[in-house]
Amino acid sequence: EAEVAQSPRYKITEKSQAVAFWCDPISGHATLYWYRQILGQGPELLVQFQDESVVDDSQLPKDRFSAERLKGVDSTLKIQPAELGDSAMYLCASSTPPRTEAFFGQGTRLTVV
Amino acid sequence: AQSVTQPDIHITVSEGASLELRCNYSYGATPYLFWYVQSPGQGLQLLLKYFSGDTLVQGIKGFEAEFKRSQSSFNLRKPSVHWSDAAEYFCAVGARSGYSTLTFGKGTMLLVSP
Repeated sequence: EAEVAQSPRYKITEKSQAVAFWCDPISGHATLYWYRQILGQGPELLVQFQDESVVDDSQLPKDRFSAERLKGVDSTLKIQPAELGDSAMYLCASSTPPRTEAFFGQGTRLTVV
Repeated sequence: AQSVTQPDIHITVSEGASLELRCNYSYGATPYLFWYVQSPGQGLQLLLKYFSGDTLVQGIKGFEAEFKRSQSSFNLRKPSVHWSDAAEYFCAVGARSGYSTLTFGKGTMLLVSP
């Protein structure tokens, strides 16, 4: 069964350091999402790609976060510099338009110390 | 803008008892609707979805949900809860037009007592 792959599963980083997460969506899925989930809350969208184009990054803190999907396949989310408040689960998901059923990866648990 | 409200933060149900988790949405038309489940430290797994047609939808693990347009609700139900159902449940809404984004509720934590 096809899955969304994310790495690493866990990351501990010091405040002010840079950190990056990687996501490989299900093959053929044109839409890719990055969500952030703070403990005890629901996922919140950071950025949405359609192929290699960003279609929604209104909630992405652009002073420190960046995301790319250069060839419209896998994607990288970067934080620089990391802050204590960035500690959260970062979830990647993909879907095939026009249906918006999203398939999620296992997530990356980030702890900033 | 679309939004989802899950009014119950925690629910405790005895094993074998029935379950209903509430979800209300705000959207200008009929959206796509979803329920996802998340075990601790894991990603989200889709339980069921509503796109159109029959307003009572069946999902995996014995779950079902009913779309009620008049109440803007999409409540999740299960007739008999098992201990393995203990997890966090998220309702989500997706727009039917454009680059529809999934918007999630804050979740309901289900605890199952013996």
